[in-house]
Amino acid sequence: AQSVTQPDIHITVSEGASLELRCNYSYGATPYLFWYVQSPGQGLQLLLKYFSGDTLVQGIKGFEAEFKRSQSSFNLRKPSVHWSDAAEYFCAVGSYGNKLVFGAGTILRVKS
Amino acid sequence: GAVVSQHPSRVICKSGTSVKIECRSLDFQATTMFWYRQFPKQSLMLMATSNEGSKATYEQGVEKDKFLINHASLTLSTLTVTSAHPEDSSFYICSAGGADFSGSGEQFFGPGTRLTVL
Repeated sequence: AQSVTQPDIHITVSEGASLELRCNYSYGATPYLFWYVQSPGQGLQLLLKYFSGDTLVQGIKGFEAEFKRSQSSFNLRKPSVHWSDAAEYFCAVGSYGNKLVFGAGTILRVKS
Repeated sequence: GAVVSQHPSRVICKSGTSVKIECRSLDFQATTMFWYRQFPKQSLMLMATSNEGSKATYEQGVEKDKFLINHASLTLSTLTVTSAHPEDSSFYICSAGGADFSGSGEQFFGPGTRLTVL
């Protein structure tokens, strides 16, 4: 069965510092991969997605992610974090029946 | 594009009453809609998948008689929590996927509905 692992429950970074959020997936075929962000009390906003092609994907708000098949990873990165990036981030993989399987989420805290 | 709305954003009800939550795709036709439940500090748990004009498919452990889902049109799905109890208090989020997105799992999410049952 498909699964997604986000090993970091919480991450704290200083404003202006770089960020990397980890995501590992388990999926038999070529995966469809997504990163979503959720602010408190809000729905999910799509940051970026990978379907095929270039393994480095650019998203909104300055985020990017790199698909590495050999490592079954899809880590999210941002070169310089802003205080407004504080939120919870979810990695997800597309599954059968057009479903999404989500990781447990990583809460990002930004300190000034 | 691909905007999904939910109504209401917050609802407080008494135990034993029923609550209906609407999910609308505003600018595309959603052949499939999904309903999720999210507990505090936890990830999203898929409750059910609904396809327009057919019965919803519920995930294991989700009571279909308690959580009634109707997907009567390509732009509207409703979730009715029947005879709500305090343990049903949660954040409910819907999402929609259209024919253009089939096979990839891509979904567009509503803003969520906070249900509090007293």
